[in-house]
Amino acid sequence: GAGVSQSPRYKVAKRGQDVALRCDPISGHVSLFWYQQALGQGPEFLTYFQNEAQLDKSGLPSDRFFAERPEGSVSTLKIQRTQQEDSAVYLCASSLYGAGGRFLGGELFFGEGSRLTVL
Amino acid sequence: TQLLEQSPQFLSIQEGENLTVYCNSSSVFSSLQWYRQEPGEGPVLLVTVVTGGEVKKLKRLTFQFGDARKDSSLHITAAQTGDTGLYLCAGAGNNNDMRFGAGTRLTVKP
Repeated sequence: GAGVSQSPRYKVAKRGQDVALRCDPISGHVSLFWYQQALGQGPEFLTYFQNEAQLDKSGLPSDRFFAERPEGSVSTLKIQRTQQEDSAVYLCASSLYGAGGRFLGGELFFGEGSRLTVL
Repeated sequence: TQLLEQSPQFLSIQEGENLTVYCNSSSVFSSLQWYRQEPGEGPVLLVTVVTGGEVKKLKRLTFQFGDARKDSSLHITAAQTGDTGLYLCAGAGNNNDMRFGAGTRLTVKP
């Protein structure tokens, strides 16, 4: 597609439910990032993929958070047993640059985000 | 934890005024980027600075990268209502991450 696509745009979950958020990056982009953005804050890094390899997951807040990119394209962020503090906008970004296990800098193209509200 | 400190957090000015926002860190970055984010959308890249001391101009926006590559500033001349938004700086670290500051929320009033 022309840009990064995320779905769903809005998700309301009851506390304890599992949710899955999808990201379709720009075709051919090697690097993919997930960020969590709380209201009024900047994006907080969650995890980084280079093709299908998850090279950095240091930002995932707990073992309830899991991300995958099995074929090096579409990525899914899964949150198990959601808690109220998980309420946020989850942003996905892709970049053309990345090689040798390292993100080499360059422009990040963001999707519009998935707004998760946990009741 | 935000490794990049942005100031001010909020800024409200009248159309036509000039302003400067800052991005500071104790870390050295190989490159630093500025993004603008509007409500309900993802951030959009404005500029990337790479060389210490570098100055880049984008119409009414002037970006500067500190000599030590730890800080940056964004100056807007004659602000317009269309400049309203959240301005974010982001730095490429050594650990496959791109870290963002908390942002400066700019409101330009007509």
